[in-house]
Amino acid sequence: GAVVSQHPSWVICKSGTSVKIECRSLDFQATTMFWYRQFPKQSLMLMATSNEGSKATYEQGVEKDKFLINHASLTLSTLTVTSAHPEDSSFYICSALPGLAGSYEQYFGPGTRLTVT
Amino acid sequence: DAKTTQPPSMDCAEGRAANLPCNHSTISGNEYVYWYRQIHSQGPQYIIHGLKNNETNEMASLIITEDRKSSTLILPHATLRDTAVYYCIVRVHSRGSQGNLIFGKGTKLSVKP
Repeated sequence: GAVVSQHPSWVICKSGTSVKIECRSLDFQATTMFWYRQFPKQSLMLMATSNEGSKATYEQGVEKDKFLINHASLTLSTLTVTSAHPEDSSFYICSALPGLAGSYEQYFGPGTRLTVT
Repeated sequence: DAKTTQPPSMDCAEGRAANLPCNHSTISGNEYVYWYRQIHSQGPQYIIHGLKNNETNEMASLIITEDRKSSTLILPHATLRDTAVYYCIVRVHSRGSQGNLIFGKGTKLSVKP
């Protein structure tokens, strides 16, 4: 089956620093990737949708200048949390949509646990 | 907002069938019913989806009522590893924002020995 990886799986950073999270589709090309955030005991919330080679589309309430998304290739999307603060501590999950016509399954990565101290 | 309603939690004995209900009374004719599950501290895992016919795969069965206003996910022989939060999602097959997955609160299934 389709595999999506994320790196790192967990990260601790100091307040005010930036953190980059990578999302890779390992055995398929993904024209679209999604970034979700999940706070403890809550459900996943879509943050943004990224399409390869174009600007990401952010959901309402998500600051695009704080959460920088780059989808530079068909197998890699990155999320950079800039000037992180403790309230950004969360579980960040990406998913990827294969570029095949008629394919609508989103395949999820294992998630990245971010803790900002 | 999620278009589905699920019980917040359910228990199931190991080896027995787990039947997880989902109400989607406002489902549109072109919307599919999808089920994902999320084991603690992992990314969601796709289980099954259907439009109007019942579906079965190696993981589960999906029973959709004739009026499509509700469905049931069946795990035929639950194991301890099936303990997870199960999400029922309705969506269209679109590669645009209309096809986005909108996660509700899901059902926390606890499989007990």
